[in-house]
Amino acid sequence: NAGVTQTPKFRILKIGQSMTLQCAQDMNHNYMYWYRQDPGMGLKLIYYSVGAGITDKGEVPNGYNVSRSTTEDFPLRLELAAPSQTSVYFCASSWDITDTQYFGPGTRLTVL
Amino acid sequence: DAKTTQPNSMESNEEEPVHLPCNHSTISGTDYIHWYRQLPSQGPEYVIHGLTSNVNNRMASLAIAEDRKSSTLILHRATLRDAAVYYCILSPRQGAQKLVFGQGTRLTINP
Repeated sequence: NAGVTQTPKFRILKIGQSMTLQCAQDMNHNYMYWYRQDPGMGLKLIYYSVGAGITDKGEVPNGYNVSRSTTEDFPLRLELAAPSQTSVYFCASSWDITDTQYFGPGTRLTVL
Repeated sequence: DAKTTQPNSMESNEEEPVHLPCNHSTISGTDYIHWYRQLPSQGPEYVIHGLTSNVNNRMASLAIAEDRKSSTLILHRATLRDAAVYYCILSPRQGAQKLVFGQGTRLTINP
């Protein structure tokens, strides 16, 4: 199993550009999550999904959108990138509602 | 959400035990205590979790106080690879697993 994979590993965006961060898992997990981690800080939850077709906001959803059309994929969309979105983004998944979360390697995004 | 308090940093020597404390005085009766760690330039990884009883696994042990207001993660024999930021997180038994990460404890292991 590859576990949780994320692409790209690094990206530089200009202010106002948009992009999609990809996340996929091959563990047939129902739950998937997107977090961001600013330098020296802990992770903050952006959005999560409890199954295909169902998503909900986390602590810091503004400026982001998500969709979950399949069990495996949970892309995160940034519209109109801003410098405040410079961060490392982690995707995670879990089997059920209280289970251990498995994290991907992260995407380092810089907005200039 | 109930909060946790951890020391910002700790230091230990290789092959010695490490005890990482966590205070969670406002824990509710249904909150699980989770520990994750984050190695440099990687995503967090699960270490251990428990509810009321002490727990052991191949990575570590979790000692939970009788009143559940504090817990201690024990690494029995630290290696250089254990150098990481360790997060103590409370999560409700019911509802989506929304992990709230604080700043954690940065553990340094000296050779």
